[in-house]
Amino acid sequence: AQSVTQPDIHITVSEGASLELRCNYSYGATPYLFWYVQSPGQGLQLLLKYFSGDTLVQGIKGFEAEFMRSQSSFNLRKPSVHWSDAAEYFCAVGAGGATNKLIFGTGTLLAVQP
Amino acid sequence: EAGVAQSPRYKIIEKRQSVAFWCNPISGHATLYWYQQILGQGPKLLIQFQNNGVVDDSQLPKDRFSAERLKGVDSTLKIQPAKLEDSAVYLCASRGNTEALGVRFGQGTRLTVV
Repeated sequence: AQSVTQPDIHITVSEGASLELRCNYSYGATPYLFWYVQSPGQGLQLLLKYFSGDTLVQGIKGFEAEFMRSQSSFNLRKPSVHWSDAAEYFCAVGAGGATNKLIFGTGTLLAVQP
Repeated sequence: EAGVAQSPRYKIIEKRQSVAFWCNPISGHATLYWYQQILGQGPKLLIQFQNNGVVDDSQLPKDRFSAERLKGVDSTLKIQPAKLEDSAVYLCASRGNTEALGVRFGQGTRLTVV
């Protein structure tokens, strides 16, 4: 069965420091992979997505993610974190091909220290 | 482009009462999803529509939850009767026919059952 694991429930980084959020997936075929961000009281905003091609994907707000098939991972990175990046981040795998049914991880809550 | 609209934003009801949520997807989006997000968890798909037909409702508790999308545009999700464990954020999302667009989410309805 398809699944997504986000091992880190909560991460705290200092403003200006680099960030990496981990995501591991389980899916039989080539996955569609997504990262979403959710600010308090808000819906989910798409940061970036991987369908095929270049394994390093650029997204909005300076985020990037790398698809690594050998490790079944799709980790999210940002070289320098801003205070406004504090939010919850969800990794998701698109199961079911064109239906794009999303299966989400449990999320990583990011806190940013001044 | 207007986003996915949901109402109400917040709802408090007593257990055993009924409640309904409304969603208006992005114009032209054929696929509509309802997700349930319990505090501390990632969103879980309840039901997926393609136009006005149900594609996937395998995780919808059909003894108390129902959803419809009569004209292939707006959708309503109903709970009757509500239980304490139904307290969650209910997210509506939609997707266009172009894969690259990804799934777009509304701000959600926060339901509290007391």
